[in-house]
Amino acid sequence: AQSVTQPDIHITVSEGASLELRCNYSYGATPYLFWYVQSPGQGLQLLLKYFSGDTLVQGIKGFEAEFKRSQSSFNLRKPSVHWSDAAEYFCAVGARAAGNKLTFGGGTRVLVKP
Amino acid sequence: DTGVSQDPRHKITKRGQNVTFRCDPISEHNRLYWYRQTLGQGPEFLTYFQNEAQLEKSRLLSDRFSAERPKGSFSTLEIQRTEQGDSAMYLCASSLERRTSGGNTQYFGPGTRLTVL
Repeated sequence: AQSVTQPDIHITVSEGASLELRCNYSYGATPYLFWYVQSPGQGLQLLLKYFSGDTLVQGIKGFEAEFKRSQSSFNLRKPSVHWSDAAEYFCAVGARAAGNKLTFGGGTRVLVKP
Repeated sequence: DTGVSQDPRHKITKRGQNVTFRCDPISEHNRLYWYRQTLGQGPEFLTYFQNEAQLEKSRLLSDRFSAERPKGSFSTLEIQRTEQGDSAMYLCASSLERRTSGGNTQYFGPGTRLTVL
């Protein structure tokens, strides 16, 4: 069975500072990995995904993530945070053998200080 | 290319009533997924369709829940005899599943927020 852990429930960061959100997954084979962002009361927007190939993936809004197989991690980073990045971020794992349904972590809420 | 749409966006109902939600996926997408998200949690998988066939249902989907995708386009999720524990955001996502590739990318709708009084 797939599982995802996001160890940080809340993170507060100053505008202009860097941001890193942690994600650890558990799955026997190589999973497909995703980061989504959710603003209050809204649906989920895809930031980036990893299927195969280059382990450093670029996404929208200046985000990037690195797949590290040895650590079972897929951490999300942004070099300089903007006030509009305040939202909840979800890491998710999918697998073709499981119908590509997604298993989500509990989310990390990001607050941005001016 | 219009995105995934869901209707209604909000639904308030009394315990014991039946409710039905609709999801319209991206037009060429053959996969449609339903998820439920309670406050402060990540979304949890409920069920998914490949065209009109329902391929998997989660144990979360009790007998009071039923989902359909009659013509392989839009889908409905019905909850009978609602309970207060059904209060949640119900999210729909669609994707294009290709035979030759592994993963697919799911695009989410805005969700339907259900409140059961």
